[in-house]
Amino acid sequence: EAGVVQSPRYKIIEKKQPVAFWCNPISGHNTLYWYLQNLGQGPELLIRYENEEAVDDSQLPKDRFSAERLKGVDSTLKIQPAELGDSAVYLCASSRGGATGELFFGEGSRLTVL
Amino acid sequence: GENVEQHPSTLSVQEGDSAVIKCTYSDSASNYFPWYKQELGKRPQLIIDIRSNVGEKKDQRIAVTLNKTAKHFSLHITETQPEDSAVYFCAASRRGGGADGLTFGKGTHLIIQP
Repeated sequence: EAGVVQSPRYKIIEKKQPVAFWCNPISGHNTLYWYLQNLGQGPELLIRYENEEAVDDSQLPKDRFSAERLKGVDSTLKIQPAELGDSAVYLCASSRGGATGELFFGEGSRLTVL
Repeated sequence: GENVEQHPSTLSVQEGDSAVIKCTYSDSASNYFPWYKQELGKRPQLIIDIRSNVGEKKDQRIAVTLNKTAKHFSLHITETQPEDSAVYFCAASRRGGGADGLTFGKGTHLIIQP
């Protein structure tokens, strides 16, 4: 089966510019996650979707970050405006949800803010 | 929320020796403990997981042990090989009803010396 697909893989922008990342989860996976991974650190959860509902967005900086998962499949994470400290890898993951556990990650989108 | 501590941050072992990575968690309601391996520039991938109803699980050269009372779990890799070199992340979550996203440790960079 196809894995989690993310784009773009790399993005370089000037600070204060907007940026958007796209994620296509594994077919049939109802749960979708966006994680932030800083260099040398573990992934940190930004938002979790169950189908199209954001069930945990407590760690999402809502002043500049937004996300959506229309129709409960693909998802987009947006940053506007980007700051220097937003430079990181943004990982999308999906799972079947419930007790099955395993998260399948995409390759990530590496953001550099200049 | 959950807090996961991971040690050591870097571990260097001779090829053929064993490696042990340790994690502690804070939320007594956590019941699912996976370990992910991330090679440089690649996505994190699940290598083994354990649920709170068992104390140990093995899969060839890797094993995980869980002590629920002390709230810590460990990854054991025996007969290490060069391809084991990577960053390893432990994680914890509550799965099933009320399932939430994984909380990751900061990672351990495992270096296998030839």
